[in-house]
Amino acid sequence: ETGVTQTPRHLVMGMTNKKSLKCEQHLGHNAMYWYKQSAKKPLELMFVYNFKEQTENNSVPSRFSPECPNSSHLFLHLHTLQPEDSALYLCASSPLAGGPQETQYFGPGTRLLVL
Amino acid sequence: ILNVEQSPQSLHVQEGDSTNFTCSFPSSNFYALHWYRWETAKSPEALFVMTLNGDEKKKGRISATLNTKEGYSYLYIKGSQPEDSATYLCALGSARQLTFGSGTQLTVLP
Repeated sequence: ETGVTQTPRHLVMGMTNKKSLKCEQHLGHNAMYWYKQSAKKPLELMFVYNFKEQTENNSVPSRFSPECPNSSHLFLHLHTLQPEDSALYLCASSPLAGGPQETQYFGPGTRLLVL
Repeated sequence: ILNVEQSPQSLHVQEGDSTNFTCSFPSSNFYALHWYRWETAKSPEALFVMTLNGDEKKKGRISATLNTKEGYSYLYIKGSQPEDSATYLCALGSARQLTFGSGTQLTVLP
């Protein structure tokens, strides 16, 4: 176990639904990340939060809305998604979002299917 | 956009065989190279962080080397076991971001 949990593990939603993904880390870290992995593609960084403040948004469409109420919790709110948004969404945390040498600790991901 | 390439894409080996695979990355402005191991339905797990040219790291039967001048890292597994079956990811560390390769999927046949 890496100390990072994600719920739900699987999610099926329609294009008009609103749903949220949840991530929680029990490591005392101050940085949290959302990644997306589409089929046959590398992990792509979506958002970075450092001390609850968003520090990176990798040109993610506004139908994905992150929220970081505290350093231990991270949400990804989903609204009017498209079928091409179907993917594995991974959360990660690290002590500080500052160094290229810093190890990130990943959750197991949420497998999302948009119909 | 940084380009991190991993080869081969997938690999099947027999139990007991040793194997290795490659991660290639741009050699300019190098900071750090990460290796992760990712078993199906589990979380990616950090193996190594490497920063210096010529670095060599070892964890049990798994080791890695780094050549920052030519832009590659090798991951070696000695005496592969079925439990080594996983996808091995490398990632280039830069300011506030990891850029991942697509991974090498290793299957060790009993």
